[in-house]
Amino acid sequence: NAGVTQTPKFQVLKTGQSMTLQCAQDMNHEYMSWYRQDPGMGLRLIHYSVGAGITDQGEVPNGYNVSRSTTEDFPLRLLSAAPSQTSVYFCASSYSFSGSKQETQYFGPGTRLLVL
Amino acid sequence: DQQVKQNSPSLSVQEGRISILNCDYTNSMFDYFLWYKKYPAEGPTFLISISSIKDKNEDGRFTVFLNKSAKHLSLHIVPSQPGDSAVYFCAASAQNNDMRFGAGTRLTVKP
Repeated sequence: NAGVTQTPKFQVLKTGQSMTLQCAQDMNHEYMSWYRQDPGMGLRLIHYSVGAGITDQGEVPNGYNVSRSTTEDFPLRLLSAAPSQTSVYFCASSYSFSGSKQETQYFGPGTRLLVL
Repeated sequence: DQQVKQNSPSLSVQEGRISILNCDYTNSMFDYFLWYKKYPAEGPTFLISISSIKDKNEDGRFTVFLNKSAKHLSLHIVPSQPGDSAVYFCAASAQNNDMRFGAGTRLTVKP
């Protein structure tokens, strides 16, 4: 199993440009999520999905869109990049996320994004 | 507002000694707590977790303690090894599918 893969590893954008961060998992996990990591802030949840066709907002969703057309893929779209979106982005997946029991989340290696 | 706080950005211990990493939370709805470990240029990896119905969970050299009345949890690593040097994140989740992370503590274990 490849686990959770993310592409690209590194990206430089200009303000106003759009792009899609790709995330895929081959573990047949239902739950997938996107986080951003900023210095002194830890990881903050952007969007998550509990299954194909179902997405919801996390703590910091503004400026990002997601969709989940298949179980395997969960792309994150930046519609109009801003310098405040400079961060490291992590995708994660788990078998389920059911109430009080958080199944172990597996994280991808991250995408480092710089917006100029 | 940061609902999960790790007030020590860094910790340095000698190999073989105990490492104690602390975490405080403010949201009483959190009912599941986790610790993740992160090496540079890698994603976080799950280390250990504890449900709110327990006050202690042990896995080898790693033990997590939960004090619900104080809204505090801690991770003990005994004995500490140089390979434990990493950033440790505390995380908490409630029943709304939302997970909150602390800012992380960088642990350095000196040989």
